[in-house]
Amino acid sequence: AQTVTQSQPEMSVQEAETVTLSCTYDTSESNYYLFWYKQPPSRQMILVIRQEAYKQQNATENRFSVNFQKAAKSFSLKISDSQLGDTAMYFCAARNAGGTSYGKLTFGQGTILTVHP
Amino acid sequence: DAMVIQNPRYQVTQFGKPVTLSCSQTLNHNVMYWYQQKSSQAPKLLFHYYDKDFNNEADTPDNFQSRRPNTSFCFLDIRSPGLGDAAMYLCATSRLNRDRGNEQFFGPGTRLTVL
Repeated sequence: AQTVTQSQPEMSVQEAETVTLSCTYDTSESNYYLFWYKQPPSRQMILVIRQEAYKQQNATENRFSVNFQKAAKSFSLKISDSQLGDTAMYFCAARNAGGTSYGKLTFGQGTILTVHP
Repeated sequence: DAMVIQNPRYQVTQFGKPVTLSCSQTLNHNVMYWYQQKSSQAPKLLFHYYDKDFNNEADTPDNFQSRRPNTSFCFLDIRSPGLGDAAMYLCATSRLNRDRGNEQFFGPGTRLTVL
């Protein structure tokens, strides 16, 4: 079984600054995927960034990047040049690569990020 | 645009009165999921379909049922809603493809109120 832990219930940042959201996970699988999803207030959940565990290079998507530390089972999200539209609940999630899990995600508890003008 | 659609966006029902939530997708994904999300909490998986194969989570109450008549549509039936079933219900889809990490695409959700 997998577990995903987000230890920061809430975070805040000033517009244009950088913020890092923490996530740790536990899995017995050798191959898996990690995700960060964003859920803005009253809007649908969307994928922010994806990391494949067998790739050592950290994933980046424009202003979003991850710090993937496989040995430490850590997967933090860095948001650079924060924008007001980044205000949302952020969920870290994990999925096993194979087996019959059919893409089942294990979510963390979420971190509410507020970007202040 | 290909997408996941949920209807209605807001549903009000009475205690004990059956209710059905619907989800449709134009992505032609073979896996569909139903989640329950309560305020400021992570989504909780209720069940999922891989094509027509139904997979129930062990802790999903019997009160919740699902139907998937075809690839595009999936329904969530709550047979006798209780006050504790008030929540946002999210539908998601994915294509079972190991190379793409099975990204899930979410619908906007249906917010259920039980009076």
